[in-house]
Amino acid sequence: AAGVIQSPRHLIKEKRETATLKCYPIPRHDTVYWYQQGPGQDPQFLISFYEKMQSDKGSIPDRFSAQQFSDYHSELNMSSLELGDSALYFCASRRQGSYEQYFGPGTRLTVT
Amino acid sequence: DAKTTQPTSMDCAEGRAANLPCNHSTISGNEYVYWYRQIHSQGPQYIIHGLKNNETNEMASLIITEDRKSSTLILPHATLRDTAVYYCIVRPFAGGTSYGKLTFGQGTILTVHP
Repeated sequence: AAGVIQSPRHLIKEKRETATLKCYPIPRHDTVYWYQQGPGQDPQFLISFYEKMQSDKGSIPDRFSAQQFSDYHSELNMSSLELGDSALYFCASRRQGSYEQYFGPGTRLTVT
Repeated sequence: DAKTTQPTSMDCAEGRAANLPCNHSTISGNEYVYWYRQIHSQGPQYIIHGLKNNETNEMASLIITEDRKSSTLILPHATLRDTAVYYCIVRPFAGGTSYGKLTFGQGTILTVHP
């Protein structure tokens, strides 16, 4: 069965650079969620989209922005990167009305 | 979302049942109990959910007390591949656009040993 695809899987950036993470949800899933998981921490919700509109917002820094496109894929844009942004970034997708979210394999971002 | 309390860690022998408790004493009437797990650095994986009745699927069973203030996730025959962090999450049913997010608290590190 098709799963959530995230790219790239690994990314190394320097401080103050920008990064773009991409998420391709499972076909026919209309909702996308982004989570951040720092080293030794639990995943934290950042932002979500339903039908290309932002549906909920968590503890996402102002330096980050995201959007969902017409084909339902989503991109998380991160600017002025800081060392503390080093983390695993997970994308999850869900079909409205269903119970579970399906998570992608994550993008490991390292900021040096 | 209601707060949950789970043991920090548990051990289980391979082939035995793993019983993971969760306390959610402030759960409200429209909130479901969800269980997810995260195998080392992989994306979290949905296991099971329930409202007030006991539930079973191919992965696990969920037992919810009658007052709904606590629940137990049961892995009937634990294998080494079940070693993971298990999260108990309480939230409203994801029927609307705003209710889908998952709030992960401190989960239980389950270690299955040979």
